Amino acid sequence: SQQGEEDPQALSIQEGENATMNCSYKTSINNLQWYRQNSGRGLVHLILIRSNEREKHSGRLRVTLDTSKKSSSLLITASRAADTASYFCATDERGAQKLVFGQGTRLTINP
Amino acid sequence: GAVVSQHPSRVICKSGTSVKIECRSLDFQATTMFWYRQFPKKSLMLMATSNEGSKATYEQGVEKDKFLINHASLTLSTLTVTSAHPEDSSFYICSAGALTRQETQYFGPGTRLLVL
Repeated sequence: SQQGEEDPQALSIQEGENATMNCSYKTSINNLQWYRQNSGRGLVHLILIRSNEREKHSGRLRVTLDTSKKSSSLLITASRAADTASYFCATDERGAQKLVFGQGTRLTINP
Repeated sequence: GAVVSQHPSRVICKSGTSVKIECRSLDFQATTMFWYRQFPKKSLMLMATSNEGSKATYEQGVEKDKFLINHASLTLSTLTVTSAHPEDSSFYICSAGALTRQETQYFGPGTRLLVL
C-alpha cells in the first residue's frame, strides 16, 4: 500500500528558483529516502535521512524530517532545467526492508 | 556506486505469451530484491519481495501464479509474467538491497512491457 502523500503533485518553476516538495507518511520509520526519476527511466537515489536526523544536505539538495508530524521536505536550490523529473519519497516501515513510495511530484523547470 | 541492470529494457509480446524479465546486481551481492510496477505518471507499487533461495513474498492483491519470481542467486532475480494480457502492460522496475548496506536499495533502469 502507498502510505506516502506528496505535495504538490506537480510543480512548475523558472530556472534559478528554488523548488520545495513535501511528503507525509503514516507509520513509524527507520529512515526516509528521496528518489528522482526521469521520464521512462529507473530511479536515482538522492538522499537518505534517518529517523533521528532532522536535516540533511547534499549539494543543492536539502531534506528535512519531522517525525512528530510524519513529514519530510525536499528543497532543490538554484534549480536547473536538468532538474526536470519526478521526485518520490520512500519510507521503510520499521522492521521491514521494503520501501513504500509516495505518489510523487512532477517538477518542471522552465528555462 | 552499485549497479543494477534489467533485461530486456523493452518488450512487446502477444496476448497469452509469457515474458521473463531479469534483474541483476552487477557489482554487489543482494540477498533481497524487490519488484515494482509503475503505471504512467503514477508511483511505484511494490509487487513482491524476492529472497535468495526462498519463496518470494507477494503484496496483497498480486497474483503469485501470474507473476512468478525466482531468486536463484545473490545476483539474479527473475520476474515472469505468465499468460500476459494487455492489462499487464506496464513499467516493471526491480531494486536490490546490498548485503552490507541493507537500508539502501539500488534500482534497475526498468522494463517496459507492452502486451498486444
